Amino acid sequence: NAGVTQTPKFQVLKTGQSMTLQCAQDMNHEYMSWYRQDPGMGLRLIHYSVGAGITDQGEVPNGYNVSRSTTEDFPLRLLSAAPSQTSVYFCASSRREELTAAFFGQGTRLTVV
Amino acid sequence: QQQVKQSPQSLIVQKGGISIINCAYENTAFDYFPWYQQFPGKGPALLIAIRPDVSEKKEGRFTISFNKSAKQFSLHIMDSQPGDSATYFCAALQQHSAGSYQLTFGKGTKLSVIP
Repeated sequence: NAGVTQTPKFQVLKTGQSMTLQCAQDMNHEYMSWYRQDPGMGLRLIHYSVGAGITDQGEVPNGYNVSRSTTEDFPLRLLSAAPSQTSVYFCASSRREELTAAFFGQGTRLTVV
Repeated sequence: QQQVKQSPQSLIVQKGGISIINCAYENTAFDYFPWYQQFPGKGPALLIAIRPDVSEKKEGRFTISFNKSAKQFSLHIMDSQPGDSATYFCAALQQHSAGSYQLTFGKGTKLSVIP
């Protein structure tokens, strides 16, 4: 039972490059979400999904795209990376009945140069 | 506009002491208030949570106090231990119809418990 798995753990991108951060969970959770964590800023919700085929924007969605074709996977796409997207990204999953009891992944540390 | 304000930013407590972290919110539509604990290099983990119709919730050494009229809530860690050294985040959840929701985090408090 792996929980929430994020890949990669570290990534360096050049400005303008695109990439996809992967997130997979094996707990059959309905809800999945992406957060970014910046020093002194706490965690801010980027996008979330309440089930396969359903996604919605969070607090800071600009510059990011998501899709949810399966219950297990929720990838986050950066279409054209910018230095302002340098951050630690966390994926989380939870049951519909326990939204706050989210299981977080280990995080992806992204640097855009 | 920061919807959940957390203080202090950092806190140093001696082993055995009481650690107190405070949060205040503005949106009265929030309906659940969790606290998360995060160790370096790890994702946050749910520690304890409270609903606004309850004034206090205790789980082991961790207690949440909730003041609905003041729109404030706090985390108390009794008998603080070096293993409690971590960053703590308060948060507030608002659930909307059709399953959408908003989970807003405070900026975090870095707790250091010294022997």
